Amino acid sequence: EAEVAQSPRYKITEKSQAVAFWCDPISGHATLYWYRQILGQGPELLVQFQDESVVDDSQLPKDRFSAERLKGVDSTLKIQPAELGDSAMYLCASSVDRNEQFFGPGTRLTVL
Amino acid sequence: AQKITQTQPGMFVQEKEAVTLDCTYDTSDPSYGLFWYKQPSSGEMIFLIYQGSYDQQNATEGRYSLNFQKARKSANLVISASQLGDSAMYFCAMREGTGGTSYGKLTFGQGTILTVHP
Repeated sequence: EAEVAQSPRYKITEKSQAVAFWCDPISGHATLYWYRQILGQGPELLVQFQDESVVDDSQLPKDRFSAERLKGVDSTLKIQPAELGDSAMYLCASSVDRNEQFFGPGTRLTVL
Repeated sequence: AQKITQTQPGMFVQEKEAVTLDCTYDTSDPSYGLFWYKQPSSGEMIFLIYQGSYDQQNATEGRYSLNFQKARKSANLVISASQLGDSAMYFCAMREGTGGTSYGKLTFGQGTILTVHP
């Protein structure tokens, strides 16, 4: 069964360093989502792509976060510089026609 | 404004018993979808069940059913015959609208931790 791939699964970094997360959606899924989940809370959308275009980045802290999906397939989420408050699980999801979302295993980020 | 409310931080159930996890929502959009996801300690989000706002019947998927009360704006998840493997965090989520550029975005509740006792 096709799955959403994410890497790395775990990342430990020091504050002020740069980090990057990668997501490969299920083949053929035009919509890709990045969510951030702080421990003990529900996920919150950071950015939504339709093919290679950003359709919603209203909750993305643009002074330090950036996201791209250059060819409309895989995507990278970057944080520079990382802050202590960025420690969270970063979840990627994809969907066909924006219906049921399939989630990847997530990247657990710890900022020291 | 919080749109999805899960008022039960934690729930306990005996194995083989049924359990209901509460979810209320708030939206002015007549068209919306409600989802339940399970998140084990490993972190992945597992889709359980979906209810559309225009669906006449309550959704069911195996041991999962959704008790949809539209007038009360509630979408409670019922798990029948609980199993030890059901112990996890459960999230209710809502997708609003039928179009527009950001259609598809899910808004999640705070979650309920379910513990199944043997």
